[in-house]
Amino acid sequence: DIVLTQSPVLAVSLGQRATISCRASQSVSISSINLMHWYQQKPGQQPKLLIYRASNLASGIPARFSGSGSGTDFTLTIDPVQADDIAAYYCQQSRESPWTFGGGTKLELK
Amino acid sequence: QVQLQQSGAELVKPGSSVKISCKASGYTFTSYDMHWIKQQPGNGLEWIGWIYPGNGNTKYNQKFNGKATLTADKSSSTAYMQLSSLTSEDSAVYFCARLGGSSGVMDAWGQGASVTVSS
Repeated sequence: DIVLTQSPVLAVSLGQRATISCRASQSVSISSINLMHWYQQKPGQQPKLLIYRASNLASGIPARFSGSGSGTDFTLTIDPVQADDIAAYYCQQSRESPWTFGGGTKLELK
Repeated sequence: QVQLQQSGAELVKPGSSVKISCKASGYTFTSYDMHWIKQQPGNGLEWIGWIYPGNGNTKYNQKFNGKATLTADKSSSTAYMQLSSLTSEDSAVYFCARLGGSSGVMDAWGQGASVTVSS
């Protein structure tokens, strides 16, 4: 199985930039298609799609969210961080079955 | 708009089975895979498998073979997941999620169904 590794916690100040990383145990890219996606989950809620195929903003998601990366290293950036962004963030790969998720990064306020 | 409405919380006994539902609306149910994901308390997300309601084809994470069974009722636009031989390890919130497009991204999620296994 492809293992996705995320840092458990990231502390950030409001108005600053948050950079959340996800590293895969093997490449999740096919040719130029990066099969890595990002979700936000607030306590007691279902996950919400933020970014698909590494860098594409999902419908209705604010432009302060962006994604980048290829191969095994991916990044979700939130700039600037707002109070409503305090949540857990998960990466997910669809390169190979079984699809897997990272362990999640909890974004906290400094 | 796309909506996935899941059934309510369940309290079940060890060794029993439970069936969770996920009613879809706002799109053509038979044209999109439906995925199921497990989340244990305080833990991350684990992919269980998917069903294509159009023809009933399924694919499972090997870890859930024999534990989860996915079905779909086209007449009511409802997907189901049955979990069998329940143990405390099956206590979790279970989400259904629609596969949007061909890239393996889940673009709409149900609100989750809590299953607690306890005697």
